[in-house]
Order: sequence, then C-alpha cells, then structure tokens
Amino acid sequence: EVQLVQSGPELKKPGESLKISCKTSGYRFTSYWIAWVRQMPGQGLEYMGIIYPGDSDTRYSPSFQGQVTISADKSISTAYLQWNSLKASDTAIYFCARSGIFDIWGQGTKVTVSS
Amino acid sequence: EIVLTQSPGTLSLSPGERATLSCRASQSVSGSYLGWYQQKPGQAPRLLIYGASSRATGIPDRFSGSGSGTDFTLTISRLAPEDFAVYYCQQYDGSLSITFGQGTRLEIK
Repeated sequence: EVQLVQSGPELKKPGESLKISCKTSGYRFTSYWIAWVRQMPGQGLEYMGIIYPGDSDTRYSPSFQGQVTISADKSISTAYLQWNSLKASDTAIYFCARSGIFDIWGQGTKVTVSS
Repeated sequence: EIVLTQSPGTLSLSPGERATLSCRASQSVSGSYLGWYQQKPGQAPRLLIYGASSRATGIPDRFSGSGSGTDFTLTISRLAPEDFAVYYCQQYDGSLSITFGQGTRLEIK
C-alpha cells in the first residue's frame, strides 16, 4: 500500500526554525515527484513547491521561493519542508502529495506559530 | 502562471440532484494536466479526476470530468450525502508550474 505519513503537529514561536517530514512507503521514492501544499485556516489549497528525489531537482512556486526549503533523503524515503525563521502567517496545515497527479496525500501537519 | 477560477463559490443542492462545477483557466491547459479533488473537513484532499476526464481508483461513476482548453467541468450525476464537501481543480504544465482553483463549496440545501 502506498502511504505518505507526515510528522506531528508543531507549536512554535516567531523567529524559530522548523523542519517537518513526509515519510513514504509502498513505492519507489526516487521515481515520483513529491509536492508540498499549504492550507491556511479556513482557506483553499496553495501549491508551494516540488522535489524529484531521484536527482533532488526542486522547483518552487514564486509565492514561496526563498521562504521555505524543500529537501529529500533517499536513504529513508522521506521528503522535508523547512523554515529558517517562522512568522505568525506560516500558521497553516501543510500537506505532502505524490505528484504527477497528486494521487496520494499525507494526512497533513498542523503548524501553529504564536508568541 | 495559469490562474484557475472556479464557479460557483458555493453550490446549494439536495441529495439526488445533479451538480455541475466549473473551472476556467486564464490560458489554455493541456487536458492531460487537469485534476479535480474533494476535501472534507479535517481531511486531506482526495483525487477524483485526472487528465480532465479519467476517474481515479475507487471513485464512483457518478463523478465525471469533461472539458478542454480553458473550460473544464466536474459533474456529479446524483448527489449522495457523502458528496457534500469542497472541490478544487488543479493544473500543472510541463514546467511543473502548478496551481489550484479557489474551490467550490457544495452544501446541502
């Protein structure tokens, strides 16, 4: 069974750093792109960026370029989304999804940034 | 970047009725790269339709997708109680520029 299992909820302060994970199983990790999607409270889905674990080719939506870093570790079939300095406006649920057609999604990681 | 505009914003219907959701793109989208997703409260989105008209695995045949170019439609032939949710369209082009529509909320009338 193909699965994407994300790390647990996070409560952080503004200015702190954070790295959340998306552990995959049931398929060849290096053969599919993995995307990250943000959903702010009560809002729609926003595409953030995508990585191809096979060669670490990474693309970002213009809205998120420079704001986050997407990475992957082939040895443990896991993708990551990272912030160096969180802001209150980063409060959201973050989903990973297997791309091309976003057929499999992680359960989401809730990130709360509050002083 | 291609902008997707979904209409209506909210659709109020009764179980058993037919639902028609629209997704319009700011420029032509290859049909191979148009998808529809359903999201229920507290859940991750679920893929319904890919390639504009192909049903994903396990999706009931009351869901169908159509369209080409800049106009795409998701149709639910007879609404079941579990179909009331938010629906998003999504496109991705060959350069991996990906965008979502703002969503249509399908609510019980």
